[in-house]
Amino acid sequence: DTGVSQNPRHKITKRGQNVTFRCDPISEHNRLYWYRQTLGQGPEFLTYFQNEAQLEKSRLLSDRFSAERPKGSFSTLEIQRTEQGDSAMYLCASSPDGAGQGANGELFFGEGSRLTVL
Amino acid sequence: QKEVEQDPGPLSVPEGAIVSLNCTYSNSAFQYFMWYRQYSRKGPELLMYTYSSGNKEDGRFTAQVDKSSKYISLFIRDSQPSDSATYLCATNYGGATNKLIFGTGTLLAVQP
Repeated sequence: DTGVSQNPRHKITKRGQNVTFRCDPISEHNRLYWYRQTLGQGPEFLTYFQNEAQLEKSRLLSDRFSAERPKGSFSTLEIQRTEQGDSAMYLCASSPDGAGQGANGELFFGEGSRLTVL
Repeated sequence: QKEVEQDPGPLSVPEGAIVSLNCTYSNSAFQYFMWYRQYSRKGPELLMYTYSSGNKEDGRFTAQVDKSSKYISLFIRDSQPSDSATYLCATNYGGATNKLIFGTGTLLAVQP
């Protein structure tokens, strides 16, 4: 399967702990996105990478959140000092260059990493 | 006010019914309009994409955009139990980022 891969699929942690999620995009895709989805809501944009450069961050991404894509391939999303409000599905998506510029705007999503903060 | 509003549902229909799913958006700068389907515990997948006002058909699915009223619709004909999922409308400004703005999603259940 050459789709977007996310790990772990589910993480349960206690409040105050740090967690890290990993995303492996489709190999030829230069663009990588992180979204957050809470129950009964649509995905909300968190941040976007073009290769290794983080080009945009949402105001939702507080200073407890950090995302990296060190070699322009896989990405990690770390949440420090987790809070119960961080409980959500964290979705990673990738797309090739040119998507959105008159292309079909398709993002290819992984199955998500579900975070439960107790 | 959210940038994209979507009828919350949930919606339950019998197999074979015609389903209508709707969204409205607030910003006339939005250029591209999409419908994503999300099965339980899965990531969203693109179902339909439109750019201009009008209709676009793909099999049993028809996407409709009315830019004058800022209204987006998805119609499903001859609905099947396998169509049971959450349907998310989405839009973006175009341009390089391709950052999508999603509606809240409508949960659809098609009863056999």
